[in-house]
Amino acid sequence: GAGVSQSPRYKVAKRGQDVALRCDPISGHVSLFWYQQALGQGPEFLTYFQNEAQLDKSGLPSDRFFAERPEGSVSTLKIQRTQQEDSAVYLCASSIDRGKQYFGPGTRLTVT
Amino acid sequence: EDKVVQSPLSLVVHEGDTVTLNCSYEVTNFRSLLWYKQEKKAPTFLFMLTSSGIEKKSGRLSSILDKKELFSILNITATQTGDSAIYLCAVDADMRFGAGTRLTVKP
Repeated sequence: GAGVSQSPRYKVAKRGQDVALRCDPISGHVSLFWYQQALGQGPEFLTYFQNEAQLDKSGLPSDRFFAERPEGSVSTLKIQRTQQEDSAVYLCASSIDRGKQYFGPGTRLTVT
Repeated sequence: EDKVVQSPLSLVVHEGDTVTLNCSYEVTNFRSLLWYKQEKKAPTFLFMLTSSGIEKKSGRLSSILDKKELFSILNITATQTGDSAIYLCAVDADMRFGAGTRLTVKP
């Protein structure tokens, strides 16, 4: 496809469940970012990949959050034992370098 | 701690007005400052600024960076209802975003 895609677009999880969010970046984009966006706030950086290497994971809020990009393309953000405060929109973005980023439509996670 | 502060948080204007949105920052290891427009879900790229004093322009939108005073402004002239959105500023040091400015343009 022409843009960044994310799936699922919406996810409802019961507290304590594990979830996996997928990001398909633009083909050839080296950099991939994950963000968490709460209602009324700007995106909060979670983690950054350059190809398959996770160069920065300083924004991951707890050890329940884990991200991978094993082949340097598709990335998965996994949240274990979800809690209500994890409810947010999770945005993925890709770029040729760290500059201009192309964002996906996001996954809205609701933890009940 | 690094921070990015946008002002105002919210702004309501009428079509044809000119608006100026502000973004100030305190970060280490500055690489660039980016502006995005967010209408529904995905932010879309507007500008990337790396050098002070050089205005970037795209149609009715323009932006400039002041690396000495650590701020950037985004100007929109002759606003239209389609400009209604949240405008986000981000600083590539640790990819920190501001909270955004919600712009509403009334007909």
